[in-house]
Amino acid sequence: KNEVEQSPQNLTAQEGEFITINCSYSVGISALHWLQQHPGGGIVSLFMLSSGKKKHGRLIATINIQEKHSSLHITASHPRDSAVYICAVYTGNQFYFGTGTSLTVIP
Amino acid sequence: GAVVSQHPSWVICKSGTSVKIECRSLDFQATTMFWYRQFPKQSLMLMATSNEGSKATYEQGVEKDKFLINHASLTLSTLTVTSAHPEDSSFYICSARDAKSRVWSGELFFGEGSRLTVL
Repeated sequence: KNEVEQSPQNLTAQEGEFITINCSYSVGISALHWLQQHPGGGIVSLFMLSSGKKKHGRLIATINIQEKHSSLHITASHPRDSAVYICAVYTGNQFYFGTGTSLTVIP
Repeated sequence: GAVVSQHPSWVICKSGTSVKIECRSLDFQATTMFWYRQFPKQSLMLMATSNEGSKATYEQGVEKDKFLINHASLTLSTLTVTSAHPEDSSFYICSARDAKSRVWSGELFFGEGSRLTVL
């Protein structure tokens, strides 16, 4: 069993749609990351959070520590949002990575 | 924001040769760098943790004699794939921790990755 589970694995959306990607984890964490990996492979850290909610532009990340669950929301999705989104948790000793959600936004 | 640069971004080599990949922190000092491997359609797999001035710590199942890691300065770590074989073809990514953070929150900065193809 993976320590970090993401859903869905693949997601196709029309431009403008509201998108939600979910992450559930089974270990105690001190921080959770949402990462974006573009087709070229480079990774950008979108958010690091340990409680509550963070917002950056059209992106919103929430975390519920009690339920061990986090969501990444994209409002007014755009084709340039097409990428793989990876959830990663940090336990204080090590990182565990989800397998990623591949998002395709169609114009 | 903090920038981590990897070089080369892609490399093709013949079987049996060695390939060196560099990971540099451009605007901060990195006491710790991490090396990952990623197969197609899979997530990141941590290979080793590299601490400046000391030996790298390898994850279980990663051959330390095959994947040589050197972290000689606070801004540079290198991964050398020795005697590369086609099964070593993969995407290799590094990430770095800012040395300023005494109590590490878990914040990481990732490189752009290096795609290795061994013929």
